[in-house]
Amino acid sequence: DGGITQSPKYLFRKEGQNVTLSCEQNLNHDAMYWYRQDPGQGLRLIYYSQIVNDFQKGDIAEGYSVSREKKESFPLTVTSAQKNPTAFYLCASSPRGAETQYFGPGTRLLVL
Amino acid sequence: KQEVTQIPAALSVPEGENLVLNCSFTDSAIYNLQWFRQDPGKGLTSLLLIQSSQREQTSGRLNASLDKSSGRSTLYIAASQPGDSATYLCAELDSNYQLIWGAGTKLIIKP
Repeated sequence: DGGITQSPKYLFRKEGQNVTLSCEQNLNHDAMYWYRQDPGQGLRLIYYSQIVNDFQKGDIAEGYSVSREKKESFPLTVTSAQKNPTAFYLCASSPRGAETQYFGPGTRLLVL
Repeated sequence: KQEVTQIPAALSVPEGENLVLNCSFTDSAIYNLQWFRQDPGKGLTSLLLIQSSQREQTSGRLNASLDKSSGRSTLYIAASQPGDSATYLCAELDSNYQLIWGAGTKLIIKP
């Protein structure tokens, strides 16, 4: 079964803690993306990667970090510098030059 | 900065009605306009993609139109069913090949 998986489905973060959200795809897509979704707002791009070992900041990268060591994996770390991390996080991927994106099921991050 | 707006934020209609969801955008140089569906607590599923050179696309009971001159797209759902209840998001692909998103319209179809 080809697709994009995100884990965990729910994640709880304590004050001052870094947490990492997993995103894996077996679609052989070159590009991967992380979005944040808040109620009443459109998706906002956090980071994206067009190729292994390279990634670019999106519109709201502050307080987040990523790595792209493997084509199929694009983990997102929410650092303690992100003061309002509560949101629904969506990972997506696309083939090179594609004009649409394919989404994972999302991870909901909550602050304790 | 380009913007995409979806009005209304929520819509409730009886089953069987035909309905139209609206999407407006400020970018005059879009590559395409896309409609997605999102069920509660889930990821997004692509419904329709309209290239900037096209006027409309159809898939089953769904029809999406694009009017670049007015900066508008509509998603028409025929003979609505309770299973159509979801949030519908539109997004335009800009000149940087990035998707610019609307906030979505939450649709409830009452049996």
